Amino acid sequence: EDQVTQSPEALRLQEGESSSLNCSYTVSGLRGLFWYRQDPGKGPEFLFTLYSAGEEKEKERLKATLTKKESFLHITAPKPEDSATYLCAVQAWVNYGGATNKLIFGTGTLLAVQP
Amino acid sequence: NAGVTQTPKFRILKIGQSMTLQCAQDMNHNYMYWYRQDPGMGLKLIYYSVGAGITDKGEVPNGYNVSRSTTEDFPLRLELAAPSQTSVYFCASSYSKTSYEQYFGPGTRLTVT
Repeated sequence: EDQVTQSPEALRLQEGESSSLNCSYTVSGLRGLFWYRQDPGKGPEFLFTLYSAGEEKEKERLKATLTKKESFLHITAPKPEDSATYLCAVQAWVNYGGATNKLIFGTGTLLAVQP
Repeated sequence: NAGVTQTPKFRILKIGQSMTLQCAQDMNHNYMYWYRQDPGMGLKLIYYSVGAGITDKGEVPNGYNVSRSTTEDFPLRLELAAPSQTSVYFCASSYSKTSYEQYFGPGTRLTVT
């Protein structure tokens, strides 16, 4: 069964204290791995798509990396405005070689950055 | 572009009542989705559509219905509301021909009492 597990569930950092969030996945064939940011009371906001092991994407203080079993979201010198829940999702190929376009989401990591 | 819009933002229903959650997108996306988000459970797919006139069930479709008569709109219908349908509902859309990331609306918080 396709599955996504995120850790830790919650993370508290001091401003400027770098760290990483983990997303481990089990999927029959990975079509893409997605990172989203969700602020309280709002919808998820798209951050990155990664397609193959070894790929990296960066945006401001965030860098996403991908291996064959997991993805990391590295946060360098975070600021209080980086506080949010970060969601990971995978999209799988189906057996006949197509894709469902359906995403399987993890439960997220709640990040709090204190000034 | 407004992106993905949802109405209403909040709603309280009594058990057994029905309602329709509205979703619209102005990005000419062919795929549209409905999710529910419960605390600690992650986003679960209710229904999705690959284009006007074509819909299919997701992971948790029971108690819901959808229709898609236009590319822009994808309403979600709740019949005979139950307390288990208390949740936050998100609509999303994507354009399958060039990329697969989904873009989400702001959500509807529904309480059934």
